Amino acid sequence: NAGVTQTPKFRVLKTGQSMTLLCAQDMNHEYMYWYRQDPGMGLRLIHYSVGEGTTAKGEVPDGYNVSRLKKQNFLLGLESAAPSQTSVYFCASRGQAAGGQPQHFGDGTRLSIL
Amino acid sequence: SQELEQSPQSLIVQEGKNLTINCTSSKTLYGLYWYKQKYGEGLIFLMMLQKGGEEKSHEKITAKLDEKKQQSSLHITASQPSHAGIYLCGADIDYGQNFVFGPGTRLSVLP
Repeated sequence: NAGVTQTPKFRVLKTGQSMTLLCAQDMNHEYMYWYRQDPGMGLRLIHYSVGEGTTAKGEVPDGYNVSRLKKQNFLLGLESAAPSQTSVYFCASRGQAAGGQPQHFGDGTRLSIL
Repeated sequence: SQELEQSPQSLIVQEGKNLTINCTSSKTLYGLYWYKQKYGEGLIFLMMLQKGGEEKSHEKITAKLDEKKQQSSLHITASQPSHAGIYLCGADIDYGQNFVFGPGTRLSVLP
């Protein structure tokens, strides 16, 4: 049982380059989330999705776009990477929101922007 | 986000000692979750609390949610080096449409 899988695990980009981070879950979960984790800042929500075809902004959405074309996949895109986007990115999923189901996390993607 | 505060920020204890980590919100929490993160890894779910006054235990870890559902504590009894890591509280806000984490508490357990 894979759970939540993030690809790639590591990536180095140059300023201005674009890339897409992929999150895949095999638990048939409705809700999916993208977070970034920075030293001293904790985990901050970038975007989330409450179902296939839907997306919503979280706390720090600027500079990122997302898509949820298939229920099992949630993509995070950086159109023009900036050094401020150097971070560890985590994806999570859960079956439902308030109602008591925890989020299941992937192992993270470590992204460096030079 | 400052919606969840955690204290202390970091903690160093000797193996075998008990410890408590606190998580506080100015708003009513509709679901409070505790996670553990080992350095450089993903988050592992520990426990979830929903009802005021609720208390749950798993092995040597006990979590409580106060009656007002604005403060939670995580207590570790007889700590071990395997308990070391970052402990984060997270909560549903806005009736579950949004989710926030506290800044985390970094725990070190000295053998």
